[in-house]
Formats: sequence, C-alpha cells, structure tokens
Amino acid sequence: EAGVTQFPSHSVIEKGQTVTLRCDPISGHDNLYWYRRVMGKEIKFLLHFVKESKQDESGMPNNRFLAERTGGTYSTLKVQPAELEDSGVYFCASSPGFSGANVLTFGAGSRLTVL
Amino acid sequence: AQSVTQLDSHVSVSEGTPVLLRCNYSSSYSPSLFWYVQHPNKGLQLLLKYTSAATLVKGINGFEAEFKKSETSFHLTKPSAHMSDAAEYFCVVSETNRDDKIIFGKGTRLHILP
Repeated sequence: EAGVTQFPSHSVIEKGQTVTLRCDPISGHDNLYWYRRVMGKEIKFLLHFVKESKQDESGMPNNRFLAERTGGTYSTLKVQPAELEDSGVYFCASSPGFSGANVLTFGAGSRLTVL
Repeated sequence: AQSVTQLDSHVSVSEGTPVLLRCNYSSSYSPSLFWYVQHPNKGLQLLLKYTSAATLVKGINGFEAEFKKSETSFHLTKPSAHMSDAAEYFCVVSETNRDDKIIFGKGTRLHILP
C-alpha cells in the first residue's frame, strides 16, 4: 500500500508570501494529523482531522495557518502570509480510525524555509 | 493530560556496544507508548509500540523497549549498535481508548562511533 505522501518536500519562500503544503494520507484512513518541528525543537501537534471535520485544532499557532480536508481525502495546510518563525518541517500522519491505540503513519515531511 | 520526557538529547555509543535511550511518561489513563525513528532527510518510522499487552515489546532492527508502570518508563534498548542506527529517536505517548492528541518527546540523537 502507498504510504503518506507530502508535497513539496522543500519550499523556500520570502516573508510575506503564501505557501500551501499538501498531504495525501493512506487510502481509507479517516484520521489525518499535521505536526510541525521548528528549529530542532520538539515535534508539536497542529491539528487533527477525522474525515473532513476538524476534530482538534488547538495546536494551530495563529490565524495565518489554514488547514482543509475537502472530501475527507487529501489535506492542505496554507500559511499566509508566511513569517520567519514558520520555518521548520511540517509532518503529516494518518491512521485508520479510532480503535484504541492509533498508530500513526508519517509522511517524509515538508521542509519550509522562510527568508 | 499526558506528557513524555526524553532524558538525553544526545547519546553516543561505539559500534557493537549496547544502546539505551531513556523515556519517562506521565499519563492519567492507560497509555499507549511508541518509539519512532527519523533518519536524515527521511520521515518518521515506527520502531515499536506498547498497547497494554506484553510489557516487553520487540520492534524492528533489533530494538526493544520495556514498559515499567512503577517507574513510568519506556526505555529503548538494543544489544549491539550498528552504524546505520545513527538517527534521531522519539518517544511518543497517547492515551488508549481516548480520542486525544499524541505527544512527542523532544527527541534523542543517537551517534554511533566507529
């Protein structure tokens, strides 16, 4: 089975520009998560989709970040306008459902560099 | 609420010697615990998981971890380190049977000396 796919693998933009990151979860996985690792710090939760609904978005840093999952398949994470502190690696993960111990399958990450 | 602490940010061992990466957790409910590994420029890969079954869990690449409730620990071990084990390792906790977010430790970077 195909894994979690993230695009782009690396994006370099200038402060104030817009970037959209995409995540394609494993087919059939209802749960989709976004995590972020900034400047070698810990990996932090951003938000969690169950199908197309936002189950928990308590980790979203501010309103410059917008996540969508139309149709409950792939998800996008848009940063507009980007700031220097948004630089980091954005990880997407998916899991098949609420079954007690959800084991997340992660993508390779999208590295964002804001200049 | 749950939390996880990885006690060492860096660990260096010689090739062929044992590896010990320490992890302590805090959880109000029955936790599920995981170890993930990230090699340079790669995604996060699941090494092993504990989900209230056997307390000694065996994972891939010869790694194993033991769940010790009395010590609230879930240390990762390997009898003999290999150069290819050089990577960053993350201890992760979630609360079983609760729709709660999954929490990562800060990571431990493992260096293998020739």
